[in-house]
Amino acid sequence: NAGVTQTPKFRILKIGQSMTLQCTQDMNHNYMYWYRQDPGMGLKLIYYSVGAGITDKGEVPNGYNVSRSTTEDFPLRLELAAPSQTSVYFCASSWGMNTEAFFGQGTRLTVV
Amino acid sequence: GIQVEQSPPDLILQEGANSTLRCNFSDSVNNLQWFHQNPWGQLINLFYIPSGTKQNGRLSATTVATERYSLLYISSSQTTDSGVYFCAVEMAGSGGSNYKLTFGKGTLLTVNP
Repeated sequence: NAGVTQTPKFRILKIGQSMTLQCTQDMNHNYMYWYRQDPGMGLKLIYYSVGAGITDKGEVPNGYNVSRSTTEDFPLRLELAAPSQTSVYFCASSWGMNTEAFFGQGTRLTVV
Repeated sequence: GIQVEQSPPDLILQEGANSTLRCNFSDSVNNLQWFHQNPWGQLINLFYIPSGTKQNGRLSATTVATERYSLLYISSSQTTDSGVYFCAVEMAGSGGSNYKLTFGKGTLLTVNP
């Protein structure tokens, strides 16, 4: 099993550009999450999904959108990138609530 | 929401020393995990430990859910143990914002040769 796979690993965007961060998991997990990590901080939840077709906002959803058309995939869309979105983004998955979560390797995004 | 506090924020050790990292949380939890973020940024699962004690090699963890804290023990530390150690908890109960892990700010561990 590859676990949770994120692409790309690194990306530089110009202000106002858009991009999609890809996340896929092969563990047949129901729950998937997107977090961001700012320097010296823990991770904050952007969006989460409890199953295909179901998504909801986390703590810091502004400037982002998600979709969950399949169990495996949970892409994160950035529209009109801003310098405040410079961060490391982590995708995670778990079988259900209160179960162990597994994280991808992260995407380091810089907006200039 | 639930508050997660980790201590100490920074810790410097000589190789071979032992250490204890602490995680306090402000509400009842059904999930607690310890992660190691290595210098390359990867988050590595150490323990899934909502209660009780677990051991894995030189690392062990104890969670006392009724007293709202967890401890991570590192024995005979090695330079490869360096990095940030995060505690993350998921609140008890279902629905809404409980569907998430809330992270502490981490403990930065440096092990010198």
